[in-house]
Order: sequence, then structure tokens, then C-alpha cells
Amino acid sequence: AQSVTQPDIHITVSEGASLELRCNYSYGATPYLFWYVQSPGQGLQLLLKYFSGDTLVQGIKGFEAEFKRSQSSFNLRKPSVHWSDAAEYFCAVTGYGGSQGNLIFGKGTKLSVKP
Amino acid sequence: AAGVIQSPRHLIKEKRETATLKCYPIPRHDTVYWYQQGPGQDPQFLISFYEKMQSDKGSIPDRFSAQQFSDYHSELNMSSLELGDSALYFCASSLRDREETQYFGPGTRLLVL
Repeated sequence: AQSVTQPDIHITVSEGASLELRCNYSYGATPYLFWYVQSPGQGLQLLLKYFSGDTLVQGIKGFEAEFKRSQSSFNLRKPSVHWSDAAEYFCAVTGYGGSQGNLIFGKGTKLSVKP
Repeated sequence: AAGVIQSPRHLIKEKRETATLKCYPIPRHDTVYWYQQGPGQDPQFLISFYEKMQSDKGSIPDRFSAQQFSDYHSELNMSSLELGDSALYFCASSLRDREETQYFGPGTRLLVL
């Protein structure tokens, strides 16, 4: 079955510290992978995506993610966290077109940032 | 750049009432998706449309229906509302090509009393 696992429900980091949010996926076909961020009561904003090619992808707000096929992982990283990064982060997977198009989300990781 | 527009942004209904949520995709996008996000939950796929035809169906209750119109906007119709339907409903749109990226609207927050 297709699924996304985000093992960490809640993470707290100090401002300026580095961040890594974990994401593992299970998907039968070639996956397209995404990270979205959601501030409280807000919509989902796309941070970055991986379709093919270079396995290290850069996104907005200084985020990057690395696709590791052997580990079925797509972890999100940021070298220095800002207080405004506090939000909920969702990893998602989909396939190519057609009926595979709907996104399957992980349960999300809530990020808190300490001053 | 134009984004996905959803209306209304907030909606309060009573049990057994009906509700209609509207979604206006990004211009030139031909595919619309609907997702439901319950409190503290991840978004769950409901239904999608491509070129006005239903493309895929997820966990959408039989009490709900949706359609996509000739101008590509979509409406989600919800009848016999239940307390458990209280959630944030997202619409997303995409352009169906080799790189299918979904862009989300701000959501409609539905509260059923």
C-alpha cells in the first residue's frame, strides 16, 4: 500500500540551530515527492519537490531535501532555523498523472522554535 | 502570480443542512483536487477532476458530490451535514503534464453545529 511516514510528531529546535525532518515513503511506482508547510489555520504552501535528476533539491525559505531511493527517504533540512519557521510540515507522495495524481500525505511534523 | 481561490473561507452550518464550496483554479490549470483535513489530521484526498471529468475518487462520502465546470472552476456539494464533517477543505489545482505539482488554496473552514 502507498504510504508516507513522518516518524516525528513534534520537534523543538533552538533558533539558529540546524533542522532535519524525516520522511519515509512506500510507493510501488516511481514517486514524485513533496514537502508542504502549513501555518496554523492556513493553507498548504509548497516548499520543494522531487521528480527526477539531482537527488538534492533546493526549495524556498532556505530548505533543501535529499531523495535516497535505497532508504525510501526524502528528509527535509535547513541549516539555520528562524522563529518564523514554526509550523507544521507535511511530506507527500504521488505518481505520474492520471489516477495516480492524488497526494498521499504523512501525518505531519509540528516544528516549534525556541528563542 | 494568481493562486487558487476558494470561497467561502469560513462556513457555519447546522446538522442536516447542505453546503456548497467553490474552487477557482490557477489560470490554465486543468485539474482540480479536493482534500479534507480534520482537526489535527493530515489532508485526505476526496476527489479530483480533469477536463471536467471525474479523474479519481478517494474517501468522499456518498453525501458529497462535486463537479468541474467549463471554466474549470469546481464545486463541492455537501448534504445532510454531520458534526464529523467539520474540517478544513482544501482545493488544489495542477496542470496535467509530466511534472504534476499541486498548488493549494487557502481552504474553507466548515463548522457543523
